[in-house]
Amino acid sequence: NAGVTQTPKFRILKIGQSMTLQCTQDMNHNYMYWYRQDPGMGLKLIYYSVGAGITDKGEVPNGYNVSRSTTEDFPLRLELAAPSQTSVYFCASRGQVPGYGYTFGSGTRLTVV
Amino acid sequence: DQQVKQNSPSLSVQEGRISILNCDYTNSMFDYFLWYKKYPAEGPTFLISISSIKDKNEDGRFTVFLNKSAKHLSLHIVPSQPGDSAVYFCAASAHGGSQGNLIFGKGTKLSVKP
Repeated sequence: NAGVTQTPKFRILKIGQSMTLQCTQDMNHNYMYWYRQDPGMGLKLIYYSVGAGITDKGEVPNGYNVSRSTTEDFPLRLELAAPSQTSVYFCASRGQVPGYGYTFGSGTRLTVV
Repeated sequence: DQQVKQNSPSLSVQEGRISILNCDYTNSMFDYFLWYKKYPAEGPTFLISISSIKDKNEDGRFTVFLNKSAKHLSLHIVPSQPGDSAVYFCAASAHGGSQGNLIFGKGTKLSVKP
């Protein structure tokens, strides 16, 4: 069981560069999420999706974009990287019932220099 | 404005003793509460949850208590083991809003000393 897979695990970007963080899940979950975790802070929601073709903003969406063309994949796009986007990014998914445990990926550590 | 607060950044306990991690919340609409455990360089893993219709939920060495009037929950680990050393996040969600999105606290780093 792969669960939620995130790639890459690490990345260094220069200011102004773009990249896509990949996330895929094999549990047929409708709900998928992108969180970021800054040092000493909790996880903050960037974007979420309730199913293929449907996405919505979370708490900190500025500077990011998402798409959800399939149930399995939920990529996160950074268009113009800024130092403030240096963080650890986690993708997660869950089944239909709210409040039950999300399954998280192992994270992508991004540094913008 | 933090809706979920974990006021203790760290906690150190002796192996075999009880660990008590605390969490407070401000949003009275929250009706599910969860605890996640996170090791370095890994994603958070689900540990235990509790619905607002209960005041206690137990799973092996882990028990979560919910005091709705005080808007407070706690995670008890008995007995604590060195492998429990990790960061513990409290999270909450509201059925009625935002598709059940979780709001996380900042986490408490638990160190269990042999």
